[in-house]
Amino acid sequence: QSALTQPASVSGSPGQSITISCTGTSSDVGSYNPVSWYQQHPGKAPKLMIYEGSKRPSGVSSRFSGSKSGNTASLTISGLQAEDEADYYCCSYAGSYWVFGGGTKLTVL
Amino acid sequence: QVQLQESGPGLVKPSETLSLTCAVSGYSISSGYYWGWIRQPPGKGLEWIGSIYHSGNTYYNPSLKSRVTISVDTSKNSFSLKLSSVTAADTAVFYCARAPIICSGTSCSGFYFDYWGQGTLVTVPS
Repeated sequence: QSALTQPASVSGSPGQSITISCTGTSSDVGSYNPVSWYQQHPGKAPKLMIYEGSKRPSGVSSRFSGSKSGNTASLTISGLQAEDEADYYCCSYAGSYWVFGGGTKLTVL
Repeated sequence: QVQLQESGPGLVKPSETLSLTCAVSGYSISSGYYWGWIRQPPGKGLEWIGSIYHSGNTYYNPSLKSRVTISVDTSKNSFSLKLSSVTAADTAVFYCARAPIICSGTSCSGFYFDYWGQGTLVTVPS
C-alpha cells in the first residue's frame, strides 16, 4: 500500500484558518474506514487530534475539525495560534493494515 | 491514566535483530483493543509497522512482513516487537500505541491510535 498524500507544508497567520488535505484511494480514505489526524511537535510523540473522521478527543480544542469527501480527508484549524505550529499526519485503516500520510509541516507566520 | 513505555537497546548491529518491549499501565491488555508499533526515521514521517490484538491476532505492514514479529505477554501487560536483518535504513524512533476497536455485530469503529509511548531511538550503524 502507498502512503496517503499530504501537502509538504502549509502556512498561515495567527487568527486565520488553514486546511490540510489527505488523499488516498477507495481502499482506505474513500472506504467506510475512518481517518484520524495527529499533531507532532519536535521531539515529541504524536498526539491524537481527530478520530473517526470528525470527532475530537477530550481536551482537544474545538478549533480543530475534520471532514471527508470521496478519497480526500481534510483537517481544518481555525483561529491559528503559535502553538499550532507542528507536523500533522493523517492515518487511515484499510481493512487489514494502517497507512499514514507523509506529513504536513504547519508554519504559523 | 493509560501509559505506554518502550524499552530496548538503542544500538543494534547490521544484520542482527532489533527487539523492543512496550510496557502498558493503566489498562489491561487482556481487556481488548489492538496494540501497535509505529516508527519514524530521523527527519521523516510515520510508518505503521504492525499491530496485535490481545488474543494474539497480528497485522503487519506488507513491506516489512517478512522481517517483523509482534507478540503479546498478558502476564506482564506488555507487547513486543522483533525486526530481523536490520540495516541502517531501519534507524528510527520507534513508538508503541493503543488502537481502540469496538465491534457491535458485524460493524466496528475505532481504528485510531489514542495513547502513545514517548518513543525510543534505535540506531543501526552503516
